Amino acid sequence: DIVMTQSPATLSVSPGEKATLSCRASESISSKLAWYQQKPGQPPRLLIYDASTRATGIPDRFSGGGSGTEFTLTINSLQSEDFAIYSCQQSHNWPLTFGAGTKVEIK
Amino acid sequence: QVQLEQSGAEVMKPGASVKVSCKASGYTFTRYYIHWVRQAPGQGLEWMGIINPNGGTTTYAQKFQGRVTMTRDKSTTTVYLELNSLRSEDTAIYYCAKTINTGYYFEHWGQGTLVAVSS
Repeated sequence: DIVMTQSPATLSVSPGEKATLSCRASESISSKLAWYQQKPGQPPRLLIYDASTRATGIPDRFSGGGSGTEFTLTINSLQSEDFAIYSCQQSHNWPLTFGAGTKVEIK
Repeated sequence: QVQLEQSGAEVMKPGASVKVSCKASGYTFTRYYIHWVRQAPGQGLEWMGIINPNGGTTTYAQKFQGRVTMTRDKSTTTVYLELNSLRSEDTAIYYCAKTINTGYYFEHWGQGTLVAVSS
């Protein structure tokens, strides 16, 4: 199985600042990567797929990059509603696998 | 709009079986695969498997092979997840999810069903 490793586990950021989250795959997954946002008591919300394509209705302060084994999610000018847990997911191989998540908290 | 409506929370004894439903609406049911993903308390997401609502074919994660069954009822546009031989480690929120048109990424999710396994 492809192991997805996210870092850091927790990121403390002030509102209005930029956050950069990382996701590493244990083998190359080309650009077959998605990012999700999850808030307590809610299902995940798709933000980015194919490493850099924003999903429908996602603000442009969210951007994704990378390919192969190294990927990033950047959130520019963090808003109060952006404090949540962010997870990455690969769709290159079965089984589909997710990272453990990065919690973005208010500094 | 696409909606995935799941059944309510369940409390089960170890060794029992549970069946969770996911009723789909707002799109052509037979055109999009449905996946099941679970999340244990405080943990990450774990993919369990996929069902093709058209033909009923399934693919399960190896971890769940032999314990999981996914089925569908086209007449009610509902998919089901059955998990047998429950143990405490199966305590989790179980989600059904529909992918986007162009890849195995989850755009639409059910609200989740809590399955608690406790003696």
